[in-house]
Amino acid sequence: DAKTTQPPSMDCAEGRAANLPCNHSTISGNEYVYWYRQIHSQGPQYIIHGLKNNETNEMASLIITEDRKSSTLILPHATLRDTAVYYCIVLTQGGSEKLVFGKGTKLTVNP
Amino acid sequence: GAVVSQHPSRVICKSGTSVKIECRSLDFQATTMFWYRQFPKQSLMLMATSNEGSKATYEQGVEKDKFLINHASLTLSTLTVTSAHPEDSSFYICSASVQNTGELFFGEGSRLTVL
Repeated sequence: DAKTTQPPSMDCAEGRAANLPCNHSTISGNEYVYWYRQIHSQGPQYIIHGLKNNETNEMASLIITEDRKSSTLILPHATLRDTAVYYCIVLTQGGSEKLVFGKGTKLTVNP
Repeated sequence: GAVVSQHPSRVICKSGTSVKIECRSLDFQATTMFWYRQFPKQSLMLMATSNEGSKATYEQGVEKDKFLINHASLTLSTLTVTSAHPEDSSFYICSASVQNTGELFFGEGSRLTVL
């Protein structure tokens, strides 16, 4: 079973920030939070991951709460091409651990 | 970044035939590859874990004799759907774990349609 819960869907206006929440209340100390997204009929695309510090890359920012029980993926300036299903996953980095996907959040960016 | 390639991207076959899907890590060695299946409007469901040089580990409910997995090298894993039936029609996706770092990258997916 997936260890995360996400809202099933969200809408965002083009050009605005999209904030996607994820709850992972049972996360253990050595588990990272990973975010992937899947655009229709394509394979999942890696976005970002983090352990406890906030992370930022060219695609997004990841904010992890101090207790690590939840996190938020931020797309600072959403575009129509960001419309996709976003998956939040927890797993141990460095091992060959299998990813278990939950249902994710369907983000629709509106013009 | 690392690239994982799947082939074919789309395949249509007749019921009863077998179909092979390839998953290649193009610029890194992958000791472990994973195969997923995704039905329309559903999430990815893990089918099996493919380990180089050893037998694959199948998830509960996945028939190992129907979905044959071979991981003969550090850059190639194949999934063969044997005696395919219309209910096997799905989007099959592989992912590869980068040796030493454990980073996971996904292929583009292969859409199988069984007539």
